[in-house]
Amino acid sequence: KAGVTQTPRYLIKTRGQQVTLSCSPISGHRSVSWYQQTPGQGLQFLFEYFSETQRNKGNFPGRFSGRQFSNSRSEMNVSTLELGDSALYLCASSLEGEQFFGPGTRLTVL
Amino acid sequence: AQSVTQPDIHITVSEGASLELRCNYSYGATPYLFWYVQSPGQGLQLLLKYFSGDTLVQGIKGFEAEFKRSQSSFNLRKPSVHWSDAAEYFCAVGARAGTGANNLFFGTGTRLTVIP
Repeated sequence: KAGVTQTPRYLIKTRGQQVTLSCSPISGHRSVSWYQQTPGQGLQFLFEYFSETQRNKGNFPGRFSGRQFSNSRSEMNVSTLELGDSALYLCASSLEGEQFFGPGTRLTVL
Repeated sequence: AQSVTQPDIHITVSEGASLELRCNYSYGATPYLFWYVQSPGQGLQLLLKYFSGDTLVQGIKGFEAEFKRSQSSFNLRKPSVHWSDAAEYFCAVGARAGTGANNLFFGTGTRLTVIP
């Protein structure tokens, strides 16, 4: 089975712009979670989608949003980018409590 | 509140030496426990997990971990470290399957340096 894929792998944006990241889970996995990783805050949970519905949400502002499609692929969107949004964004698909991570999208905000 | 503590930010060991990375957690119920490894610029790779049963679990690359409920610990061990083990290691806890919660809480990570 193919692993979790994330596109794009690298992204450079400027403050105030918006960005959309994509995640394709492992075939058969219906849950997709998103995490932000920064040197200062470490790995933090953003949100989780299951069967096209947001099931859990972390403590991030409303500028961070996501959605899931009927084929379980997920996107996350960040609007009005800030310098502090520069991070590695990791997506994970899960089955029965075990999460499998993608390679991440490195977002740099200038 | 859920939390994971990895008290060692950076550990340096000689190749061939044994390794133990510490992890303590705080969680409302018996959680699922995980160790992940991350190489620079990469995603997280699962080393091993504990769901239930035998408290000593074996993982990939020769790693093992022991769950000690009384100490709320899940320490990672390897008897002989290889240079390729140099990476960042993360301990994580999560809710049990079927609870409707699927988010992991991560520790701050331990960076492992291996010297020849």
